Amino acid sequence: AQSVAQPEDQVNVAEGNPLTVKCTYSVSGNPYLFWYVQYPNRGLQFLLKYITGDNLVKGSYGFEAEFNKSQTSFHLKKPSALVSDSALYFCAVIRDRGGYQKVTFGTGTKLQVIP
Amino acid sequence: ETGVTQTPRHLVMGMTNKKSLKCEQHLGHNAMYWYKQSAKKPLELMFVYNFKEQTENNSVPSRFSPECPNSSHLFLHLHTLQPEDSALYLCASSQDGGRGDNSPLHFGNGTRLTVT
Repeated sequence: AQSVAQPEDQVNVAEGNPLTVKCTYSVSGNPYLFWYVQYPNRGLQFLLKYITGDNLVKGSYGFEAEFNKSQTSFHLKKPSALVSDSALYFCAVIRDRGGYQKVTFGTGTKLQVIP
Repeated sequence: ETGVTQTPRHLVMGMTNKKSLKCEQHLGHNAMYWYKQSAKKPLELMFVYNFKEQTENNSVPSRFSPECPNSSHLFLHLHTLQPEDSALYLCASSQDGGRGDNSPLHFGNGTRLTVT
């Protein structure tokens, strides 16, 4: 069975500081990894994904994530946080060629950027 | 502006009511999904349709009944729901929904359902 862990329910960071939102996964085979963001009263929006290749993936709004196979992690990062980044962030994993029928989402991490 | 539109945005219904949620996607995708989002829980995949055919029913109670008349429209028919069914119901679509599909999911803004 595959799983995703987001160990922090909430992350607080001061505006302008770097931010990290953690994600670890467990899956048999090669993983497809995703980050989504959810603003209040909205659906989820795609930020970035790792399929293969370069371990550092760049996405929307200045976010990036690093795939670390040995640590089975895919942490989301941004060099300088904005107040507008405050939202709920979800990590998701699909086993290689498992299709979206087999996607697993984490429980989400609330990011609070303090002015 | 999302390419996936859900109506209504909010719905309050009694346990004996029958109602339907509607989803429409304008992205030319072939796969559509229903998810349930409850507080402090991972998103729960409910149903998957690929090219109008249901390919996944994730052990969802029969009081939830999906319908997919074409690749652009998806409905979730609700009847005799329970209070614990109160949640945000999200519709999503993706490029082809096949086993190799790793295209992003595009979500609607959801329907906030309250069962009284």
